[in-house]
Amino acid sequence: AQRVTQPEKLLSVFKGAPVELKCNYSYSGSPELFWYVQYSRQRLQLLLRHISRESIKGFTADLNKGETSFHLKKPFAQEEDSAMYYCALSDIQGGSEKLVFGKGMKLTVNP
Amino acid sequence: DVKVTQSSRYLVKRTGEKVFLECVQDMDHENMFWYRQDPGLGLRLIYFSYDVKMKEKGDIPEGYSVSREKKERFSLILESASTNQTSMYLCASRAKYNEQFFGPGTRLTVL
Repeated sequence: AQRVTQPEKLLSVFKGAPVELKCNYSYSGSPELFWYVQYSRQRLQLLLRHISRESIKGFTADLNKGETSFHLKKPFAQEEDSAMYYCALSDIQGGSEKLVFGKGMKLTVNP
Repeated sequence: DVKVTQSSRYLVKRTGEKVFLECVQDMDHENMFWYRQDPGLGLRLIYFSYDVKMKEKGDIPEGYSVSREKKERFSLILESASTNQTSMYLCASRAKYNEQFFGPGTRLTVL
């Protein structure tokens, strides 16, 4: 079954420290992976997707098919990065398409 | 800007009541989704629809039904609300193989 695992629920770091939010997946096909972010009192929004290979707000994520991982990284965390982060996998089966989300991880960046 | 709107931000209902949650998107997206978001459980897909009058069960459809009579509108129905359906409900829409956009959420409390 398609599954997304975010092994850590909480991560607390100080401003300027590196952060890595882990995401592992299981999928039988060629995966398409995303990171979504939800800032306090805001709606969930796309942060980045692996096919675009972009760096958004200093975050990057590399798809590692061998390790079935899509970890989110930022070398120097900022206070405004504090949010809930969700890893998601696009599941295309039987002609319909849906996103499978991990359980999320709360990042707190302290001053 | 894609807009996904939900009819209420906060809703309080009593056990046994029939509850309607409405979602409207203005970008002609084929796919629409209903999730519930609970702490520690992440986003869980209730139902989704990939076309008018089409619907598919997600991971937790029990106790819910949906209606999609028009492309822009996707309704979630709780036939007989129960306290374990107290949650944040998120609607989302997505063009095929593209970014998924979320509504602001409806926090439903069932007393």
